[in-house]
Amino acid sequence: AQSVTQPDIHITVSEGASLELRCNYSYGATPYLFWYVQSPGQGLQLLLKYFSGDTLVQGIKGFEAEFKRSQSSFNLRKPSVHWSDAAEYFCAVKGDSWGKFQFGAGTQVVVTP
Amino acid sequence: ETGVTQSPTHLIKTRGQQVTLRCSSQSGHNTVSWYQQALGQGPQFIFQYYREEENGRGNFPPRFSGLQFPNYSSELNVNALELDDSALYLCASSSGAGGRETQYFGPGTRLLVL
Repeated sequence: AQSVTQPDIHITVSEGASLELRCNYSYGATPYLFWYVQSPGQGLQLLLKYFSGDTLVQGIKGFEAEFKRSQSSFNLRKPSVHWSDAAEYFCAVKGDSWGKFQFGAGTQVVVTP
Repeated sequence: ETGVTQSPTHLIKTRGQQVTLRCSSQSGHNTVSWYQQALGQGPQFIFQYYREEENGRGNFPPRFSGLQFPNYSSELNVNALELDDSALYLCASSSGAGGRETQYFGPGTRLLVL
């Protein structure tokens, strides 16, 4: 069975500092991987996705993520955080067959001045 | 291009009642998936509809049921509501099912069961 672990429940970062959110997955084959962001009371917005090819993927809002098969990880990074990046971030994994997305529990990001 | 829309935005029901939530998929998409997101948790997959047929189901009881219409919009029905059904219900649409599918989410319907 596929699963996703986001080890950090809560991260506090200063505005302008770098951010890295961790995601580890368990899946028997090559997974399809996603990062979504959710602002309070809102739905999920897709930040980026990995299907195959270049293991470093670029997304919207200046985010990037790196797929590391050997570590079963897909960590999300941003070089310089803005106050508007305060939100909850979800990593998701999907298999090659039907469309169930398995989400992690999320990481809440707080940005301080 | 119109994104995924959901109605209503908020809903209050009492235990034992029934509720219907609605979702309009993004233009060009023929697949709709439903998720339940309890407070402080990640979304949990309920089921998916592809071309009006159920295409997979998560660990939810039969009192959670759905429909997809010829225009690919969808409904989620929950019978005999329980207090634990209080959650944000998210609809996501995509083009095709399986494979390199990307799901785009609506804003959700927040359901409170009293």
